[in-house]
Amino acid sequence: EAQLVESGGGVVQPGRSLRLSCEASGFTFDDYAMHWVRQAPGKGLEWVSGISWNSAGVEYADSVKGRFTISRDNARGSLFLQMNGLRPEDTALYYCAKDTAFSSYASFDVWGQGTMVAVS
Amino acid sequence: EIVLTQSPDFQSVTPKEKVTITCRASQSIDTSLHWYQQKPGQSPKLLIKYASQSFSGVPSRFSGSGSGTDFTLTINGLEAEDVATYYCHQSRNLPFTFGPGTKVDIK
Repeated sequence: EAQLVESGGGVVQPGRSLRLSCEASGFTFDDYAMHWVRQAPGKGLEWVSGISWNSAGVEYADSVKGRFTISRDNARGSLFLQMNGLRPEDTALYYCAKDTAFSSYASFDVWGQGTMVAVS
Repeated sequence: EIVLTQSPDFQSVTPKEKVTITCRASQSIDTSLHWYQQKPGQSPKLLIKYASQSFSGVPSRFSGSGSGTDFTLTINGLEAEDVATYYCHQSRNLPFTFGPGTKVDIK
């Protein structure tokens, strides 16, 4: 069974940094694009960033461009999100999500349980 | 940025009643529209991909239709376990966007 497990969240002061990790299992990690999606408390879903299977393509929401960096380690089956210059509006539950495609982007068919980031 | 709007915001229905949720895109997205279900306290789950393709394991009472700018998610005969918030999502253009969600409750 495909599974994603996020870690690395916590409480951090504005302007500081945090690095999120997502460990994948149960599927061939380097066959698929991956994403980070966040959900502020009581709010809807917001796509944050995506990366193609071979890291050749990386994309960001305007709200995090220049501050967040997505990366992956296919040998370890891991996805990362380096978050610098954190702001209170970045407070959210951050989900790791698997794409159904590998070089392009489509729907997200596997989601982790999320890791909470609070900027205060 | 492509804006997705959903209607209604909230729907309270009796069991076995039909539920229809619409999602409208601010510009044409062909069929690059996907639907997710998020139950309280849980992660989202994929229901429908590319407007009308049911995802594996999803009950047959869930169906999707539409193309271009107007899309519909239908639940034929609501069951208690379907209480959730439903989101549409477009993958046609970056940045990828989600609709604001439609909360479905049991009357």
